Amino acid sequence: RKEVEQDPGPFNVPEGATVAFNCTYSNSASQSFFWYRQDCRKEPKLLMSVYSSGNEDGRFTAQLNRASQYISLLIRDSKLSDSATYLCVVNTNTGGFKTIFGAGTRLFVKA
Amino acid sequence: DAGVTQSPTHLIKTRGQQVTLRCSPKSGHDTVSWYQQALGQGPQFIFQYYEEEERQRGNFPDRFSGHQFPNYSSELNVNALLLGDSALYLCASSLDLTSGNTIYFGEGSWLTVV
Repeated sequence: RKEVEQDPGPFNVPEGATVAFNCTYSNSASQSFFWYRQDCRKEPKLLMSVYSSGNEDGRFTAQLNRASQYISLLIRDSKLSDSATYLCVVNTNTGGFKTIFGAGTRLFVKA
Repeated sequence: DAGVTQSPTHLIKTRGQQVTLRCSPKSGHDTVSWYQQALGQGPQFIFQYYEEEERQRGNFPDRFSGHQFPNYSSELNVNALLLGDSALYLCASSLDLTSGNTIYFGEGSWLTVV
């Protein structure tokens, strides 16, 4: 089992749609969680951190469920510019500190 | 304030050759991690340097080695290149990852092995 698993993509949605990405992690001792966005042939960039209490940044909402070892990202009112790959990221400190990336979920928003 | 910078941005090497990639972390950051990202995959952790020592290593062979300098900059060396080493190599920096700080990436070095 992979340490971080994400929904297989791609997701094809129309502008204005709401889309949700899911991610699960295997290490219950994981400490911090993030969503990164990666545009084609570019480096990943931090989209938002994920907290147990949930956090919102404009059209983006991230949730963490530690009991289920599950992270989600919700994008409301999708824009064409949201088209990218979304990477789920988990920091663990078991046998040393590591940052583990999921394989990413590709999103295409179409007009 | 410069972010993470990497060089070279693109390079082509022949099988069996050696390559050195360089990274300067974001100002104030002391931890550097290297990742390999193949097309269609997420970044795979290679290793992490802190205080000039390799603190953590992923599942990569010994052909992959690195170094961190006193100014926190870092190098990634890959020996005996294979075709499968073709990928985007990303350097990421942070302020001591053990505190869970966010990592920031450079634009990466695109390596093609022919």
